[in-house]
Amino acid sequence: QVTLKESGPALMTPTQTLTLTCTFSGFSLSTRGVRVSWIRQSPGKTLEWLARIDWDDDKFYSTSLKTRLTISKDTSKNQVVLTMTNMDPVDTATYYCARTGDYAYWFDPWGQGTLVTVSS
Amino acid sequence: QSALTQPASVSGSPGQSITISCTGTSSDVGVYNYVSWYQQHPGKAPKLMIYDVSKRPSGISNRFSGSKSANTASLTISGLQAEDEADYYCSSYTTSSTWVFGGGTKLTVL
Repeated sequence: QVTLKESGPALMTPTQTLTLTCTFSGFSLSTRGVRVSWIRQSPGKTLEWLARIDWDDDKFYSTSLKTRLTISKDTSKNQVVLTMTNMDPVDTATYYCARTGDYAYWFDPWGQGTLVTVSS
Repeated sequence: QSALTQPASVSGSPGQSITISCTGTSSDVGVYNYVSWYQQHPGKAPKLMIYDVSKRPSGISNRFSGSKSANTASLTISGLQAEDEADYYCSSYTTSSTWVFGGGTKLTVL
């Protein structure tokens, strides 16, 4: 059974750097074709894809956010980490990680999500 | 990359069929058959319902179907049931090697 779970701070102040961890089970990021993405959902429910990391350490980022994002993996711990710099109140959202289809273009399953609120 | 365009809401009575549209551009929906649809109930994570325009993952009812014409994809739910009431989102891979989502459609089962 494939599961993913996000963890990170619930509350941040503007300009801080966010670090989120996705801990998964049921698959390995060292297996050819495996990929994991981060997606966020604003309080208004808009979904936004943020970043993807592949089994071979290829990385892809949202065009609008790429200067602020870094994605990495720790295969031995079954974890994917996303950092986002210079957090702003507009970054308040529920952040999800999701397995991205092997050589495919869908997200399944998703983690339960973690709400990050940015406020001064 | 602009969001895909979905109607804000649709509704239908039990047993009826509804269709949700998802309009993109020639840089996403129109160029790839990589449209997927997600169902989200309140307080829950999105769930994959359709991938690659019209394929259903294992365990998804055949009441859910997808199609595409030019820059517009569609999700059809037939035989509406109360449990189908949820938010639905489309997504497409893009020529920039990124993904774009629709704004979401709230389905109300009357």
